Amino acid sequence: DTTVKQNPRYKLARVGKPVNLICSQTMNHDTMYWYQKKPNQAPKLLLFYYDKILNREADTFEKFQSSRPNNSFCSLYIGSAGLEYSAMYLCASSRDNNQAPLFGEGTRLSVL
Amino acid sequence: QQQVRQSPQSLTVWEGETAILNCSYEDSTFDYFPWYHQFPGESPALLIAIRPVSNKKEDGRFTIFFNKREKKFSLHIADSQPGDSATYFCAASRGDTGKLIFGLGTTLQVQP
Repeated sequence: DTTVKQNPRYKLARVGKPVNLICSQTMNHDTMYWYQKKPNQAPKLLLFYYDKILNREADTFEKFQSSRPNNSFCSLYIGSAGLEYSAMYLCASSRDNNQAPLFGEGTRLSVL
Repeated sequence: QQQVRQSPQSLTVWEGETAILNCSYEDSTFDYFPWYHQFPGESPALLIAIRPVSNKKEDGRFTIFFNKREKKFSLHIADSQPGDSATYFCAASRGDTGKLIFGLGTTLQVQP
């Protein structure tokens, strides 16, 4: 299977509630990424794992957390959702840093 | 500060014409430049990519032209087809970080 899978495809959350998004791949890719995509904006890198090492972007450091318990699985966690978190969340993976990432179909998060 | 700038924001061409999408970047240490396309309801998919060792990369009707001195690269879509209508994102990354920075995207419409 050469795809990146994301669950769920759509997620509805209440303001102030936690959100957990899930991504998986079975291609043995070293690097897994999470991007946030809002309408008319570029996909924005939130964080990525290279193997077990988590790298978070400076401007999203406190807003998003992640875990990667094994090579295949990666989650994105929002502790307290705000309206501004409504977006498409794209997970991607690549075999190494020199390859273009392969994207999943995304999870559309709506915060009400 | 937008590290990768993309223009135009939207582009309409007639079927059979060549569509030209432009990007520029700031960071001279970027060494990988992919183009993705995204159809409505789908995730971004890699179309073609180039590294600075080359100034041109072709794949069928798709060609990247790269100008390292001016920090610019462009995507040319020859003999445009209505099925090419999509949003096109250019991106740039540095091999040692794996961080892919996207442009804002160009929405291409090919009129039959």
